[in-house]
Amino acid sequence: QVQLQQWGASLLKPSETLSLTCGVHGESFSGYYWTWIRQSPDKGLEWIGQINHVGGSSYNPSLRGRVTLSVDASKGHFSLKLNSLSAADTAVYYCARVKYRTTWYDFWGQGTLVTVSS
Amino acid sequence: DIHMTQSPSSLSASVGDSVTITCRATQTIGDYVHWYQQRPGTAPKLLIYAASNLQSGVPSRFSGSGSGTDFSLTITDLHPEDFATYYCQEGYSSPITFGQGTRLDVK
Repeated sequence: QVQLQQWGASLLKPSETLSLTCGVHGESFSGYYWTWIRQSPDKGLEWIGQINHVGGSSYNPSLRGRVTLSVDASKGHFSLKLNSLSAADTAVYYCARVKYRTTWYDFWGQGTLVTVSS
Repeated sequence: DIHMTQSPSSLSASVGDSVTITCRATQTIGDYVHWYQQRPGTAPKLLIYAASNLQSGVPSRFSGSGSGTDFSLTITDLHPEDFATYYCQEGYSSPITFGQGTRLDVK
C-alpha cells in the first residue's frame, strides 16, 4: 500500500522560507508526478506544482517564481520550498501523487498546517 | 485558468437520502473532472475519476456523470460516514483547479 508521509517546519515568520518534504513508501518513483497542493479558507484547494523522478517540474504561475520543487528518488522523497512568505501562505500543505497520463490524485500525504505569523 | 463552480455550497440531508452536487467549468473540458471527499482534519480522498469512474474501494452508492462543462456527483442511500465536504477538480489544463467545495451535513 502506498503511503506518503510529510514533514517540515509548521510555524514561520514573514519573509522566511517554507520547507516541506514528502516521503514515498511502497511505490516506485517513476511513472508518477509528485505534487504539492495547499488548502486555506480563503483560496480553497490550490495546486502548487509537480515534479517527476528525474526532476521535470511545473509550477502554478500564481506563485510568481517563489516555489522550487526537488526530488531525491534514491531516498524516496521530494521536497517543496516556498520563499518570501506572507500571512497569505498560511495553509495546510499536502503532497500527493498523479500517475503519468492521468490527472487525478489517488494518494495524499497527511497534510501539514503551516502558519506564517510574526 | 479554468474556474470550477460547485453548487450548492452547502447541503443538508438525512441518512438514507440521495443527493446530487454539481460542478460547472468555465470552458469545455471533456471528461477531465474528478471528485473528492474530505472529512475534517484529513486529506481529500478520491471518489470518482474521469467524470464517471469509481475509484477502487469506493462504495457503489457514489456515482458521477457529465461531460463538456457540466458534471455531477450523486450519492444514494446516504450513510453516516458520507457527511463531509466534496470537491470537484478539473485536470484539463495547467494549473489544475478545484471547485470551492460542497459541505454536506446532517439535517
